[in-house]
Amino acid sequence: NAGVTQTPKFQVLKTGQSMTLQCAQDMNHNSMYWYRQDPGMGLRLIYYSASEGTTDKGEVPNGYNVSRLNKREFSLRLESAAPSQTSVYFCASRSGTGIYEQYFGPGTRLTVT
Amino acid sequence: DQQVKQNSPSLSVQEGRISILNCDYTNSMFDYFLWYKKYPAEGPTFLISISSIKDKNEDGRFTVFLNKSAKHLSLHIVPSQPGDSAVYFCAASASGTYKYIFGTGTRLKVLA
Repeated sequence: NAGVTQTPKFQVLKTGQSMTLQCAQDMNHNSMYWYRQDPGMGLRLIYYSASEGTTDKGEVPNGYNVSRLNKREFSLRLESAAPSQTSVYFCASRSGTGIYEQYFGPGTRLTVT
Repeated sequence: DQQVKQNSPSLSVQEGRISILNCDYTNSMFDYFLWYKKYPAEGPTFLISISSIKDKNEDGRFTVFLNKSAKHLSLHIVPSQPGDSAVYFCAASASGTYKYIFGTGTRLKVLA
């Protein structure tokens, strides 16, 4: 099992460009998450999908959109990147109700210039 | 409004001694707490968790203590090993929600 995979690992964008971060899990988990990690800020939840077909906003959703493509895949889209979106992005998944542990991907380091 | 706080950004401990990492929370709806460990350039990995119906959970060298009245939890690592050097995040969740709130992390350095 690969667990949670994320692509790309690194990306540099210019202000105003768009891109999609991809995430896939092969653990048959119901819930998936997108976080960003900034120095001194910990991990902040951007969006999550409790189950296939549903998505909800987290703490910092502005400037992002998500798609739960199927049970395996959950993508994060930046429509018009801004320097404030420079961060490390982590995708995570969780099995289901009553099971709280999340499994994280290796992260995508995004720089917006 | 930071609902989960880790007030110590860093901690250094001698190998073989006890490491104690602390976490405070403000939201009384939180009833499940987790600790994650993170190495540089990797994603966080789950370490140990505790439900609010317990006050202690142990897994090998790792023990988490929960003091609900003080809204405080701590992670004890005994004995500490150099491989434990990492950033540790605590996280909290409330039943019926799928959201997690993370603390800002504590960087642990275990000195050989």
